Amino acid sequence: GAVVSQHPSRVICKSGTSVKIECRSLDFQATTMFWYRQFPKQSLMLMATSNEGSKATYEQGVEKDKFLINHASLTLSTLTVTSAHPEDSSFYICSARPGSFQETQYFGPGTRLLVL
Amino acid sequence: AQSVAQPEDQVNVAEGNPLTVKCTYSVSGNPYLFWYVQYPNRGLQFLLKYITGDNLVKGSYGFEAEFNKSQTSFHLKKPSALVSDSALYFCAVRVLTSGTYKYIFGTGTRLKVLA
Repeated sequence: GAVVSQHPSRVICKSGTSVKIECRSLDFQATTMFWYRQFPKQSLMLMATSNEGSKATYEQGVEKDKFLINHASLTLSTLTVTSAHPEDSSFYICSARPGSFQETQYFGPGTRLLVL
Repeated sequence: AQSVAQPEDQVNVAEGNPLTVKCTYSVSGNPYLFWYVQYPNRGLQFLLKYITGDNLVKGSYGFEAEFNKSQTSFHLKKPSALVSDSALYFCAVRVLTSGTYKYIFGTGTRLKVLA
């Protein structure tokens, strides 16, 4: 149980285009999902907290207009990188928490984005 | 400031030997502590957690961790390492910030088990 999927697993795009990454909780409902960014050989950096039916809460320094997050249902959150540039190339990982009182987050397999 | 520290970038251990990956924390209140493992180009897999109760927590794949309140540590251990345990390990602590529970991750420790 507690499986989280991400799609796509890898994406290559041209500079200036937008890329959408999906995060789905497959066997549970997730009231809260998190989006992280991981640079090579570094730890995970929390970008934003996504709550179903409400606006995402962004961490300091993360551009809201650059990284659009939508959490339209209890099993799906999307991250759209708008007008992507090479510096946005990174490994993006989502996680989901089964309930407000659940301590454990379950992570997706990650999406590697390469912007040319 | 609330934080998690993993003092070792890399740990090397021979197959069959016991392994320890260190983690210390600094949080207000009672800590909720977690260990995750990451294989190359993959997301994080949950290993174990400490919420309350017995200080020795047993998790997946034969791993265990010992919570030590006086030393503010939560070291990950395994009695006999396998080559397949070679991966990147993250310690994390749950904190309450602006009304939302979030994780703070350590910088990760790369474990290399030598055959």
